[in-house]
Amino acid sequence: NAGVTQTPKFRVLKTGQSMTLLCAQDMNHEYMYWYRQDPGMGLRLIHYSVGEGTTAKGEVPDGYNVSRLKKQNFLLGLESAAPSQTSVYFCASSYAGAKKTEAFFGQGTRLTVV
Amino acid sequence: TQLLEQSPQFLSIQEGENLTVYCNSSSVFSSLQWYRQEPGEGPVLLVTVVTGGEVKKLKRLTFQFGDARKDSSLHITAAQPGDTGLYLCAGAPGGKLIFGQGTELSVKP
Repeated sequence: NAGVTQTPKFRVLKTGQSMTLLCAQDMNHEYMYWYRQDPGMGLRLIHYSVGEGTTAKGEVPDGYNVSRLKKQNFLLGLESAAPSQTSVYFCASSYAGAKKTEAFFGQGTRLTVV
Repeated sequence: TQLLEQSPQFLSIQEGENLTVYCNSSSVFSSLQWYRQEPGEGPVLLVTVVTGGEVKKLKRLTFQFGDARKDSSLHITAAQPGDTGLYLCAGAPGGKLIFGQGTELSVKP
């Protein structure tokens, strides 16, 4: 049972380069989320999706884009990476429903922009 | 914007001590959750509290949801080194799952 899988696990980018982070879940969850985690900041929501073909902005969306073409996949794109985007990125998924939205997380992607 | 504020941000205690972590908001939440995260891993759900005033126990961990559903607390009795980690509260207004900034707990033997 894979759960939530993130690819890649580590990446180093040069300023201005682009990349896509892939998140795949096999639990048939409706909701998917992308977060970044920085020391002392907890998890900050970048973008999220409440279903296939839909996306919405979170707390810190600038500099990122997302797509949810298939229910099981949620892609996070950085068009022109900046050092401020150095962080650990987590993807999560959950069933729909606000009251008991238990989220399952991937292992994270450690991104360094130099 | 609905914000979740956690305190303290850091906590370093000796094995056997008790501790309480707080999660506060100016907004009402239909439920609040507590997650625990270990280094190099994603957060894992500990508990969800749904009803105002609700108390849930998970072994040595006691979770409480405030009567007004604006705050929650996590109390650990007789902390052990295995409790070391980052504790995060979370709420899901309209399905948008947001987190507090976390409490980093270190329990020394």
